[in-house]
Amino acid sequence: DAGVIQSPRHEVTEMGQEVTLRCKPISGHDYLFWYRQTMMRGLELLIYFNNNVPIDDSGMPEDRFSAKMPNASFSTLKIQPSEPRDSAVYFCASSLVGQRNTEAFFGQGTRLTVV
Amino acid sequence: AQSVTQLGSHVSVSEGALVLLRCNYSSSVPPYLFWYVQYPNQGLQLLLKYTTGATLVKGINGFEAEFKKSETSFHLTKPSAHMSDAAEYFCAVSKSGGSYIPTFGRGTSLIVHP
Repeated sequence: DAGVIQSPRHEVTEMGQEVTLRCKPISGHDYLFWYRQTMMRGLELLIYFNNNVPIDDSGMPEDRFSAKMPNASFSTLKIQPSEPRDSAVYFCASSLVGQRNTEAFFGQGTRLTVV
Repeated sequence: AQSVTQLGSHVSVSEGALVLLRCNYSSSVPPYLFWYVQYPNQGLQLLLKYTTGATLVKGINGFEAEFKKSETSFHLTKPSAHMSDAAEYFCAVSKSGGSYIPTFGRGTSLIVHP
């Protein structure tokens, strides 16, 4: 398996623009997580899905953020409109829960810069 | 609720010296515990994990960690640091209250001096 795949790896956008980050989890995994990493706040869980259903989005900072998982192999995190304070590295991770191997597998991340 | 505390945002060691990165957790039920490593411009990758059984677990690159329930700790060690060990290290806990959702510590940056 190629692991968790995120695109793009880098995104530079102007304030006010819409940004869409994409994630393909590991095949067969039933949980998908979106994290945001910044120097100030560390690694924050934004939202997670179980079997494509959003379970907890309490970490989503504002209504400008939204996430979807239309099927088991694809998820998006959208920011509209984007702001400079959204600049961060966004990670997608997936896991197969219920077995001994419950660790999360991370993608390479998307480095977002909003200018 | 589960939580993780990593003591020290930065740890500096000389090449060849012992590495000790500290992690304490809070969990109301027996936890699953993990250490991840993050190299620059990369995602997190699993170093080692504790689920059940032997409390001393060995991971990749010569690292190991010991689960101590009485101390609620899961410290990461390596007998001899290598320059390539310089990275950010994250401790994580899951399975508290039936939740398998990992909660991460703030991370510890390991600096290795020649």
